[in-house]
Amino acid sequence: DTAVSQTPKYLVTQMGNDKSIKCEQNLGHDTMYWYKQDSKKFLKIMFSYNNKELIINETVPNRFSPKSPDKAHLNLHINSLELGDSAVYFCASSQLGGRTNEQFFGPGTRLTVL
Amino acid sequence: SQQGEEDPQALSIQEGENATMNCSYKTSINNLQWYRQNSGRGLVHLILIRSNEREKHSGRLRVTLDTSKKSSSLLITASRAADTASYFCATLRGSGGGADGLTFGKGTHLIIQP
Repeated sequence: DTAVSQTPKYLVTQMGNDKSIKCEQNLGHDTMYWYKQDSKKFLKIMFSYNNKELIINETVPNRFSPKSPDKAHLNLHINSLELGDSAVYFCASSQLGGRTNEQFFGPGTRLTVL
Repeated sequence: SQQGEEDPQALSIQEGENATMNCSYKTSINNLQWYRQNSGRGLVHLILIRSNEREKHSGRLRVTLDTSKKSSSLLITASRAADTASYFCATLRGSGGGADGLTFGKGTHLIIQP
């Protein structure tokens, strides 16, 4: 009955590879997000999707691409991985127009690029 | 650019004492939220305070907001070992009602000594 789930939890890969991280929410929320947390624990928004439309796209390299097959899923594809992509990636969801705009976070995916 | 700045960056206190963390932000806000992150986990929403509120309580948590100073504080009373975590303040980006995601501060790492 996990609200927001991510797979895999850990991902270790070589520079130059292409990888994907999956995210699913069972809360019925209409908006999903991807955040990146660096080694200093600084969290930054990368993307958000609302009703299958990309709402924002931060100054993130185009090697990163979000894909939302339906309202409950927002996957993150990363091409040509670089050392600097090593971080923890969090998926989150929320219901826009809700009373609190509270976001629910997944457990995170720790990506290590060697 | 980063919206919130937490102060202090790290705080170590004895169990039973009160812990106070501060947050400053730069732009006008509709609300300010506090989140907790336990080591190796995702973020959990703690409390939200709206821009027209000055103080809010939830259990052992007390949040204040001073919009004239663009600052907020989180007080945890009667701290417990389980309160050991990183605490982040966050504000909504843009005026999209939440679709733009959250801007997080750098966080305060709180350690409760038994």
